[in-house]
Amino acid sequence: DAKTTQPTSMDCAEGRAANLPCNHSTISGNEYVYWYRQIHSQGPQYIIHGLKNNETNEMASLIITEDRKSSTLILPHATLRDTAVYYCIVRSSGSGNTGKLIFGQGTTLQVKP
Amino acid sequence: EAGVAQSPRYKIIEKRQSVAFWCNPISGHATLYWYQQILGQGPKLLIQFQNNGVVDDSQLPKDRFSAERLKGVDSTLKIQPAKLEDSAVYLCASIFLGGPTGELFFGEGSRLTVL
Repeated sequence: DAKTTQPTSMDCAEGRAANLPCNHSTISGNEYVYWYRQIHSQGPQYIIHGLKNNETNEMASLIITEDRKSSTLILPHATLRDTAVYYCIVRSSGSGNTGKLIFGQGTTLQVKP
Repeated sequence: EAGVAQSPRYKIIEKRQSVAFWCNPISGHATLYWYQQILGQGPKLLIQFQNNGVVDDSQLPKDRFSAERLKGVDSTLKIQPAKLEDSAVYLCASIFLGGPTGELFFGEGSRLTVL
């Protein structure tokens, strides 16, 4: 699975949009981009995933560049409860894929009042 | 829908002692994973089961760690003997089929402190 690069930490003002970048320059055609987050003392929680097109759900939006080498997770109106570590993960959809997720260091997002 | 259940939530042991963690995945989820998360790091996959068979245990330190999922439902992860560096949170996750696009559901984890 392709590796990802994320900033170590970011700050965001409460009520503003939080834009979390992720580089995955070695991504291949059958690999999806996944985002999970981990709030302190809890297990990781799924946010969103995508292959080529931009995706939106009730939690966030995922913007994937046309060349698929990078993506941005957008939390449209960040709240204090969005303070967490955010993981960008690339996961293969090819045959033999076992569904496992390989986590990196993630981005620690601090939402400030 | 009930989530992934793990116990105990916290455990403190002396080095060279043994410890066991239990996981009950979401009902109907065939695939189960154990991850180790050391403080300040992302989770690291230890072992993956599909029903009661091992799919991937390449990162499991087999000299001291063992895991089983005898009836394809609950799973137990054991460490014997424990070392200081085993201090971590042990996370269990499950997924319906283990396919390429499914969502993993994680438990809250079992925090181990080895003194």
